[in-house]
Amino acid sequence: SQQGEEDPQALSIQEGENATMNCSYKTSINNLQWYRQNSGRGLVHLILIRSNEREKHSGRLRVTLDTSKKSSSLLITASRAADTASYFCATRSIQGAQKLVFGQGTRLTINP
Amino acid sequence: GAGVSQTPSNKVTEKGKYVELRCDPISGHTALYWYRQSLGQGPEFLIYFQGTGAADDSGLPNDRFFAVRPEGSVSTLKIQRTERGDSAVYLCASSSPGVVNTEAFFGQGTRLTVV
Repeated sequence: SQQGEEDPQALSIQEGENATMNCSYKTSINNLQWYRQNSGRGLVHLILIRSNEREKHSGRLRVTLDTSKKSSSLLITASRAADTASYFCATRSIQGAQKLVFGQGTRLTINP
Repeated sequence: GAGVSQTPSNKVTEKGKYVELRCDPISGHTALYWYRQSLGQGPEFLIYFQGTGAADDSGLPNDRFFAVRPEGSVSTLKIQRTERGDSAVYLCASSSPGVVNTEAFFGQGTRLTVV
């Protein structure tokens, strides 16, 4: 079963604009992670935020976590055509912490 | 190796046949995961190994699916009596000891097509 639910399902913006994707989840978590996937094959880890953290930055990426609302957001600033990909959030629950449970993803298209 | 390696990259098989999908994790990674991803969907958890043992196989859809990791390194996902609904990309991932607050490294997947 899927825990994370991303929205929007698809997002199309112009190069240089900021892209924001949201993720909601259901259970109490140890951490939440964001992954990127090109062309439906391997996923690449972007950033991990622990349950006691509220915000984290990595380059042009900014992730927030609100455990009271069970939600997270991923912001990509100054988007580039190369950012075009699918983005997934994944959670490690406090119970069953071994597995990462993924959402359905947001398909991001950056138009040149 | 430098990354997680999955073979074959593509597999076409006839309905009812048996298939094996191989995953070679990053050296030293004790945790290994199998996921299945259908078009337009997120990865669906199948099974997780810690060392040689399957610590969580709750995602295996039925008894046609089985996975092994006999020496705590390479893993094989086995699917018996394949059905067209088994067509998907099968992804393998590994992570280092101290599983909870670590990232998972994914292979490029095996695209399985059952005809």
